[in-house]
Amino acid sequence: QSALTQPASVSGSPGQSITISCTGTSSDVGSYNYVSWYQQHPGKAPKLMIYEVSNRPSGVSNRFSGSKSGNTASLTISGLQAEDEADYHCSSYTGSSTVFGGGTKLTVL
Amino acid sequence: QLQLQESGPGLVKASETLSLTCTVSGGSISSSNYYWGWIRQPPGKGLEWIGSIYYSGSTYYNPSLKSRVTISVDTSKNQFSLKLSSVTAADTAVYHCARHRVGGTTDYWGQGTLVTVSS
Repeated sequence: QSALTQPASVSGSPGQSITISCTGTSSDVGSYNYVSWYQQHPGKAPKLMIYEVSNRPSGVSNRFSGSKSGNTASLTISGLQAEDEADYHCSSYTGSSTVFGGGTKLTVL
Repeated sequence: QLQLQESGPGLVKASETLSLTCTVSGGSISSSNYYWGWIRQPPGKGLEWIGSIYYSGSTYYNPSLKSRVTISVDTSKNQFSLKLSSVTAADTAVYHCARHRVGGTTDYWGQGTLVTVSS
């Protein structure tokens, strides 16, 4: 299984919106609505932000939203805040395993 | 509140077997609809799913690691374990234990433990 493809870095100014893409194949992202997104601050464990493409766990800000089209999933963060600066990882179910993306570093300018 | 804690050696010699245990507290490892697994992150790199186990003992492994990985569960101790054989420097990483939902969503993570493979 190959890792999902994410941009290495994205940036935005406070208050702006950004979108991080996560591209897989018809064997993972394209076949299952089991795409998750995780936020990871330096030295910390990842935190679940979005599950099953577009669902937010309790306690996660509604500034975070997810979507999917074909083999590509996306995470959008609106109203950027300084505390959103972190690494973001996507993952997808493959039918018998889980595959992650390479991670995207979000910089809030 | 569910908590997961990894334990095991932080230094392993090349060609030997890496062994880690995850202790689950605040909930039962025998809960239905949840799997228990391991995810690792090499320094400065992305996450890699290693494998998962159901409380009944059914296992699922990353195809690229399958020949070297064994995950087991001890429901009496509320623990599950990872063994990775024939390690090399490429296995140096922070290893997280985690709880997965059906479909692979990881909703609880251990803090992670750094394992360094030395030559």
